[in-house]
Amino acid sequence: QKEVEQDPGPLSVPEGAIVSLNCTYSNSAFQYFMWYRQYSRKGPELLMYTYSSGNKEDGRFTAQVDKSSKYISLFIRDSQPSDSATYLCAMGDRGSTLGRLYFGRGTQLTVWP
Amino acid sequence: DGGITQSPKYLFRKEGQNVTLSCEQNLNHDAMYWYRQDPGQGLRLIYYSQIVNDFQKGDIAEGYSVSREKKESFPLTVTSAQKNPTAFYLCASRQGAKTILGYTFGSGTRLTVV
Repeated sequence: QKEVEQDPGPLSVPEGAIVSLNCTYSNSAFQYFMWYRQYSRKGPELLMYTYSSGNKEDGRFTAQVDKSSKYISLFIRDSQPSDSATYLCAMGDRGSTLGRLYFGRGTQLTVWP
Repeated sequence: DGGITQSPKYLFRKEGQNVTLSCEQNLNHDAMYWYRQDPGQGLRLIYYSQIVNDFQKGDIAEGYSVSREKKESFPLTVTSAQKNPTAFYLCASRQGAKTILGYTFGSGTRLTVV
């Protein structure tokens, strides 16, 4: 079983839709959770960051972490064509001496006008 | 502006050749990482380094080598032993292995075997 599971999609929605992206994980030691956005042929850029459980909101984006279910989500409200990208979840263990992040496979999102 | 520079953006390799991908950062980050990205497979860790002159193998290190002689630089060599090197390679850095902050990524190098 992979450390992090993420449905690769693709996901296609009309402009203005609410998008829900999800990841599940198996390692209960993970304590911090991130979402990266990656445009085609570019490096990923950090979009949202959450430490431990709870919600975090930033404009049209909301990140949720449910550690009891080992489940994280990213919601995009009023989606725009410029949101079309691949979204990668990532997570890590603060106690790890390795400092590495574990990534999902990424979900490809297309928002059409 | 601080960031990570990867070069070249595109690289073509003949069968049996070694090639080196450059990664330079001016963020004063201690930890640096190399990932490989294939369609539908996400990011797979090749090598990482927490400090100068020290590095460790990641999940798919076979056929790759690295060096970390300077804090700013972490070049990756794809050797002829790597059977399927065609992929998108990403370099990342992080303030330190113990930080809870995320990575900063470079813009990637696309390697194609011809």
